[in-house]
Amino acid sequence: NAGVTQTPKFRILKIGQSMTLQCAQDMNHNYMYWYRQDPGMGLKLIYYSVGAGITDKGEVPNGYNVSRSTTEYFPLRLELAAPSQTSVYFCASSPQAGKSTNTGELFFGEGSRLTVL
Amino acid sequence: QKEVEQNSGPLSVPEGAIASLNCTYSDRVSQSFFWYRQYSGKSPELIMSIYSNGDKEDGRFTAQLNKASQYVSLLIRDSQPSDSATYLCAVKSGAGGTSYGKLTFGQGTILTVHP
Repeated sequence: NAGVTQTPKFRILKIGQSMTLQCAQDMNHNYMYWYRQDPGMGLKLIYYSVGAGITDKGEVPNGYNVSRSTTEYFPLRLELAAPSQTSVYFCASSPQAGKSTNTGELFFGEGSRLTVL
Repeated sequence: QKEVEQNSGPLSVPEGAIASLNCTYSDRVSQSFFWYRQYSGKSPELIMSIYSNGDKEDGRFTAQLNKASQYVSLLIRDSQPSDSATYLCAVKSGAGGTSYGKLTFGQGTILTVHP
């Protein structure tokens, strides 16, 4: 059982470039999230999704876009990369509220470390 | 804006001592509270969850919740060098169906347990 898988693990971008961080989960979770973590800081929510075709902004959505065409995949798109987007990005998932498997726990991927120069 | 505050530390304790980590939150309707441990370069992993006032014990870990004071704490008894990590406090606000599982995280407390 792979859980939440993120790719790439590391990436260096030049200012103005674009890229997509991939996230896949095999637990059939309805809820998925993208967080970013800056050095010495907690996690900030970028975007989240409650199911295929449904996404919404989190606390820090500017400069990012997401899509959710299937339950399994939740890619994060960075357009026109800026140095302020240098961070570690975590994708996470959880079961839908009300399901017996929902304990409130988020299941995290291993993270994607992005540097914008 | 919902906020979760922690002392960033670092908190240094000797091996075998009790480590006490604290967290306050601003949203009074918060329902669920979590402590995640994050080793350097790794992703957060859940170690404790607590939903009602009082204490909850799991092995060497005890979580304490006081909703009136909007305060959550984590005690680690018999601290070990392997407990050295960043501890993140996380809060879920609103009823389960309206929060969509979103967590608000504190900035984390760095704990160092020295032999």
